[in-house]
Amino acid sequence: DGGITQSPKYLFRKEGQNVTLSCEQNLNHDAMYWYRQDPGQGLRLIYYSQIVNDFQKGDIAEGYSVSREKKESFPLTVTSAQKNPTAFYLCASSIGWGGYNEQFFGPGTRLTVL
Amino acid sequence: QQQVKQSPQSLIVQKGGIPIINCAYENTAFDYFPWYQQFPGKGPALLIAIRPDVSEKKEGRFTISFNKSAKQFSLHIMDSQPGDSATYFCAARAAGNMLTFGGGTRLMVKP
Repeated sequence: DGGITQSPKYLFRKEGQNVTLSCEQNLNHDAMYWYRQDPGQGLRLIYYSQIVNDFQKGDIAEGYSVSREKKESFPLTVTSAQKNPTAFYLCASSIGWGGYNEQFFGPGTRLTVL
Repeated sequence: QQQVKQSPQSLIVQKGGIPIINCAYENTAFDYFPWYQQFPGKGPALLIAIRPDVSEKKEGRFTISFNKSAKQFSLHIMDSQPGDSATYFCAARAAGNMLTFGGGTRLMVKP
């Protein structure tokens, strides 16, 4: 089965702790993305990667970090510097960066800060 | 301006009705306008998309209408069914493959 997997589905974190969300794809896609979803605000772009070993900040990158060491993996770390991290986090990928390339989404990780 | 404004925030229709969701944008550099459907606890999935050189696109019961001069586009769902109950997002693409999303519309179709 080809697709995008995110783990864990639910994650609880204490204030002041860093936490890493996993995103893996076996679609052989070059581009990958992280979005944050809050009620009534749609999806907001955190980071994106056009190709392995490259990534850029999106609209709300403060308090987050990413790496792209392998084509199939794009983990997101939510650091203690993120002021309001409780949200639903979505990972996506597309075959490429240029052109009209559909973004495919994973099932999401719901992060709750206690 | 990167903003995409979506309305209404929520919508309730009876089965067989035609819900209409509207989106407006300011950035004339947007060149691709997809709609995504999201069920609770799941990631969004592409439903239908349109380019600005086309005024209407239909796929099954879903139709996008696009008004380039007004910088508005809308989604119509014909003969809506309870299984269409979901959250719908419009989006717009500018540079590369970056999407700017609207705030979402939660649709409920009553049996």
